Amino acid sequence: GAGVSQSPRYKVAKRGQDVALRCDPISGHVSLFWYQQALGQGPEFLTYFQNEAQLDKSGLPSDRFFAERPEGSVSTLKIQRTQQEDSAVYLCASSLVLAGGPGTQYFGPGTRLLVL
Amino acid sequence: GIQVEQSPPDLILQEGANSTLRCNFSDSVNNLQWFHQNPWGQLINLFYIPSGTKQNGRLSATTVATERYSLLYISSSQTTDSGVYFCAVERDNYGQNFVFGPGTRLSVLP
Repeated sequence: GAGVSQSPRYKVAKRGQDVALRCDPISGHVSLFWYQQALGQGPEFLTYFQNEAQLDKSGLPSDRFFAERPEGSVSTLKIQRTQQEDSAVYLCASSLVLAGGPGTQYFGPGTRLLVL
Repeated sequence: GIQVEQSPPDLILQEGANSTLRCNFSDSVNNLQWFHQNPWGQLINLFYIPSGTKQNGRLSATTVATERYSLLYISSSQTTDSGVYFCAVERDNYGQNFVFGPGTRLSVLP
């Protein structure tokens, strides 16, 4: 596709439920990022992939959060045993260049997660 | 870690007015981008501008890397310019991720 796509766009989960959020980056983009955006705040970094390698997961808030990109394209962010504080918009971005290099990150529309 | 500040936090304009948004950062960076987040939540890249000046239609941006700030200019504002403007930076020689500022919320009134 022409841009980064994410699914689902909206997800309502009961506390304790597991969720999986999908990101389809722009074809050929090496770098893939996940961000969490709480209401009224700027996005905050969660994790970074270079192709299939997860090079930085320092932003993941707890061990309930897990991300993968097994074939270096589509990525999935999984949240286990969701808590109310996990409610946020989860944004995916991709870039043609390696992190730290000159280039632009392109963002998907986000998945809005609400945990009841 | 690097700190990013944006000012003003909120801005209300009448359609047709001009405005300047500012981004200050606390350390050297090798990547700086301005984004517009529209009311539907989509983040749209406006400029990749680690240094220098760029223009795109009614928008222009200037980054003075040595003084650690960037400015976004919006001229002849339109109601569709409403939303939140974020500055985001990647750090020198580290750059694994963007650090976003808190944003400037712009409302353009008809």
